[in-house]
Amino acid sequence: QVQLVQSGAEVKKPGASVKFSCKASGFTFTTYAVHWVRQAPGQRLEWMGWIKPGNGDTRYSQQFQGRVTITRDTSASTAYMELSSLRSEDTAVYYCAREFQGGDHYYYYMDVWGKGTTVTVSS
Amino acid sequence: DIVMTQSPDSLAVSLGERATINCKSSQSLFYSPTKTNYLAWFQQKPGQPPKLLIYWASTRESGVPDRFSGSGSGTDFTLTISSLQAEDVAVYYCQQYYSTPRTFGQGTKVEIK
Repeated sequence: QVQLVQSGAEVKKPGASVKFSCKASGFTFTTYAVHWVRQAPGQRLEWMGWIKPGNGDTRYSQQFQGRVTITRDTSASTAYMELSSLRSEDTAVYYCAREFQGGDHYYYYMDVWGKGTTVTVSS
Repeated sequence: DIVMTQSPDSLAVSLGERATINCKSSQSLFYSPTKTNYLAWFQQKPGQPPKLLIYWASTRESGVPDRFSGSGSGTDFTLTISSLQAEDVAVYYCQQYYSTPRTFGQGTKVEIK
């Protein structure tokens, strides 16, 4: 079935980096963009960036520019996000979500989400 | 960036009663060439990812009960749960996909009175 399977929980020290994975199945990976969205405890959802697996184009939120890198491996139908220079405020659940590319609209909604990866940043 | 503001932050509704959540965007989400509003509604229960309920402001996602409906255009939108059920207890978010960065409302927590 259509799903996005995310990597397991991580515990990191301040200043370290973390790399998440998001494996797609049940659909054509290159037909959908993959977004990364995070949610700190008790906070609203926060968009971090996206990648278009078909051509590798990426776009990042200004808030994370310079600290986040999104990549993909089309042969593995997997998107990755690396977040560097971690601080305690990066403790959150990180989600990937897909968005259809093509058709009559220039953007679409995020219709399928992964279950999320919890990252705890603590010394 | 487009700012999304929801109201109220929380509401308590009796079972079977109507729940109404409002969402206001800082700029219009209506795209004239396609005559569509680039707004979605999500439901999030504790420990779960967001679940898409409504897109294009008023189109219900497949499998979503018809007690959920979306309305509005431009900058003002509403999510209505016509007859609240126990399983509808959750936080609801609006989100714009008119432009990048994508932005979400702060969420509205719906509880049973």
